[in-house]
Amino acid sequence: ETGVTQTPRHLVMGMTNKKSLKCEQHLGHNAMYWYKQSAKKPLELMFVYSLEERVENNSVPSRFSPECPNSSHLFLHLHTLQPEDSALYLCASSQVGPITGELFFGEGSRLTVL
Amino acid sequence: AQKITQTQPGMFVQEKEAVTLDCTYDTSDQSYGLFWYKQPSSGEMIFLIYQGSYDEQNATEGRYSLNFQKARKSANLVISASQLGDSAMYFCAISHAGNNRKLIWGLGTSLAVNP
Repeated sequence: ETGVTQTPRHLVMGMTNKKSLKCEQHLGHNAMYWYKQSAKKPLELMFVYSLEERVENNSVPSRFSPECPNSSHLFLHLHTLQPEDSALYLCASSQVGPITGELFFGEGSRLTVL
Repeated sequence: AQKITQTQPGMFVQEKEAVTLDCTYDTSDQSYGLFWYKQPSSGEMIFLIYQGSYDEQNATEGRYSLNFQKARKSANLVISASQLGDSAMYFCAISHAGNNRKLIWGLGTSLAVNP
């Protein structure tokens, strides 16, 4: 079992659906991240939560809505997505401080928008 | 703005041989960190090695070493004694002291290890 668990691993949704991605970390870290990985593009940072407060929101469309109820759980709520939102969504965690440790990733949620 | 360039889309290596994966970076920061991650087909990004910009010695972690040439702004990953399980995508990334939560990533290099 990895330290960061993502569910579901695969998701197919229509453009009018509402769904959520879930991430849980078992590492005691104080920061959690959502990344988007698309073919032929660098990994894109979407959101960062540090100590349960959103500290990064990199111009992500409002059809993506993050939620961090506690330091171990992170959600990405999806609604009225577009086909170009099809990608691998990776959750990560780290220990943030004067020296930030490396990121620990989950296996990702492969999203297909029809 | 920071940038990472990985010029090798795909690489092949024979099992038990060494391979070097290239990474060059562009930054105006004096303090930064360089990371290498491995992504097997399962999707999970796995941290391999880290080099700080002020570290005088090249980082090593088991079979992985980082050939850090600061003046050339390169941070190549060397994998010694390649194994079949090393077949994966490899990504180079850079952080900066101003916001060490944020990494800038390269496009990756696909490595195939042949038996």
